[in-house]
Amino acid sequence: DAKTTQPNSMESNEEEPVHLPCNHSTISGTDYIHWYRQLPSQGPEYVIHGLTSNVNNRMASLAIAEDRKSSTLILHRATLRDAAVYYCILRSRTRDNYGQNFVFGPGTRLSVLP
Amino acid sequence: NAGVTQTPKFRILKIGQSMTLQCTQDMNHNYMYWYRQDPGMGLKLIYYSVGAGITDKGEVPNGYNVSRSTTEDFPLRLELAAPSQTSVYFCASSYLGRAEDEQFFGPGTRLTVL
Repeated sequence: DAKTTQPNSMESNEEEPVHLPCNHSTISGTDYIHWYRQLPSQGPEYVIHGLTSNVNNRMASLAIAEDRKSSTLILHRATLRDAAVYYCILRSRTRDNYGQNFVFGPGTRLSVLP
Repeated sequence: NAGVTQTPKFRILKIGQSMTLQCTQDMNHNYMYWYRQDPGMGLKLIYYSVGAGITDKGEVPNGYNVSRSTTEDFPLRLELAAPSQTSVYFCASSYLGRAEDEQFFGPGTRLTVL
């Protein structure tokens, strides 16, 4: 399975943009890039996902490199509630078109300073 | 919708005891998953189910059993608890298991085996 590499931790100031990087140099053409986050003592929650093009939603933006070997999750204005562990995950399609192999790494712990 | 619910929230077991972790979803999702998360680590897939009556192993299935008799419920059974099973257990569901599908997670069950 293709793996991802993320920094262990990052810090941001409140109300400033945050760019969370993810490297996935062995990504295959059918791998989707997902981002989830896990707030303290909670289950993970979906943030955003994409395949080739940049994506925006109400929570964040996802910028995908042209060669797809890296991506960046962008939080436009960090709040204290955004302090969490952020996971970058590649979701592959198996031969029967179902992506059971959903692998979470250790993620990036984001601290937001007031 | 309550989403994905899990019971109990906390449990302490003695070595060799058995228990069932309950998971229910009310979103009519076909796919359901069990993960475990050890301290400071990402999530690892234990078992998953593609629909009622169909289950399959994930990355770390040893020591666990599952069943799926209804669309809504996906219990996880520990038959002979061991200290290595001390972890936080998350149940998740998705409408389908496609690589682009979002997974919805429950709040987790914190299990300690002494």
